[in-house]
Amino acid sequence: AQTVTQSQPEMSVQEAETVTLSCTYDTSESDYYLFWYKQPPSRQMILVIRQEAYKQQNATENRFSVNFQKAAKSFSLKISDSQLGDAAMYFCAGYNFNKFYFGSGTKLNVKP
Amino acid sequence: DAGVTQSPTHLIKTRGQQVTLRCSPKSGHDTVSWYQQALGQGPQFIFQYYEEEERQRGNFPDRFSGHQFPNYSSELNVNALLLGDSALYLCASSFWKGVGQPQHFGDGTRLSIL
Repeated sequence: AQTVTQSQPEMSVQEAETVTLSCTYDTSESDYYLFWYKQPPSRQMILVIRQEAYKQQNATENRFSVNFQKAAKSFSLKISDSQLGDAAMYFCAGYNFNKFYFGSGTKLNVKP
Repeated sequence: DAGVTQSPTHLIKTRGQQVTLRCSPKSGHDTVSWYQQALGQGPQFIFQYYEEEERQRGNFPDRFSGHQFPNYSSELNVNALLLGDSALYLCASSFWKGVGQPQHFGDGTRLSIL
């Protein structure tokens, strides 16, 4: 089984600044994938970024990047140049054997 | 290209009743997973269907059952509803052989139990 932990229930960031959301996970598997999903008030879960565990290079998607520390089992999300539209719940998720395991989420507030 | 669609959007039931939720996967996807998301929590995996069979199941009682049809659409059935079943139910689709590929989610069905 895999567990995912997000220890920051809520965070705030000023528009145009940078924020980092934390996530730790626990798995005994060597082959797995990690994801960050965004869930705005509209409810639909939207993929933000994906990381393959066997790749050492950190994934990047435009203003979003991850800091993947495999030995520490840490998978944080950095959002640069924060925008008002980034305000949402962010969920860290692990994937193994066709199952997704989600953390409890971090609510991100973006202040104008 | 239609994404994942779920119906209904919102549903109100009373304790003891039964409910059926529906999901159509994204075009090209053959696998459907269901999640329960309680208020303020992350989604919890209920079960997954592929080739019309339940392939994986999370820690949910037998009151939760499902079905997948030949066109890959799926239903989630919940019997003997409890107040604690009130939640957002999310459907996600994926391609079975797409190892590690992200799931695509629908907008969910908000189920309220009175």
